[in-house]
Amino acid sequence: EDKVVQSPLSLVVHEGDTVTLNCSYEVTNFRSLLWYKQEKKAPTFLFMLTSSGIEKKSGRLSSILDKKELFSILNITATQTGDSAVYLCAVDSNYQLIWGAGTKLIIKP
Amino acid sequence: NAGVTQTPKFQVLKTGQSMTLQCAQDMNHEYMSWYRQDPGMGLRLIHYSVGAGITDQGEVPNGYNVSRSTTEDFPLRLLSAAPSQTSVYFCASRKQGMNTEAFFGQGTRLTVV
Repeated sequence: EDKVVQSPLSLVVHEGDTVTLNCSYEVTNFRSLLWYKQEKKAPTFLFMLTSSGIEKKSGRLSSILDKKELFSILNITATQTGDSAVYLCAVDSNYQLIWGAGTKLIIKP
Repeated sequence: NAGVTQTPKFQVLKTGQSMTLQCAQDMNHEYMSWYRQDPGMGLRLIHYSVGAGITDQGEVPNGYNVSRSTTEDFPLRLLSAAPSQTSVYFCASRKQGMNTEAFFGQGTRLTVV
């Protein structure tokens, strides 16, 4: 059975800290891994990763994929209160998106 | 720039009532899906469609029906609402093919009393 596991499930840090969110997966036919940010409403797309070892970067957020060890990390540096959200990881397997439970990130001022 | 439009945003139903959640996309995406999101459980797939006239069940299809008569629309019907269907529902669409992101509607918060 395909599965995606995110850790930690929740995390509280202070503004300015750096955080690392983890996503591991076991799927039958990996095509890509996607990260989303969800605030109060719909998830919004952050990154799509398809190749091992190539970092995707957008401002203070970056992500990398390890297809040998079957995991990805999402890094956020110099965190701000606006980074508070649930971060979701999904893996495209046979054209279906398999979702992790999410990591709830709280940034304290 | 509509993207995926989902209505209503909020709904309260009594047990046994039926209703339809509407979803429309204007991006000509082949793939559309319905998820429910419950606390601590991520997004669970209810039903999906790979094109007009084609639908299939996801992980949690019981109690829900869908149809896809056009590329744009993918309504979700609750046949006889139950308290266990209290959840937040999201519609999403994707372009068919490899390495495409999913676009989400704004969600419907449904409470069944």
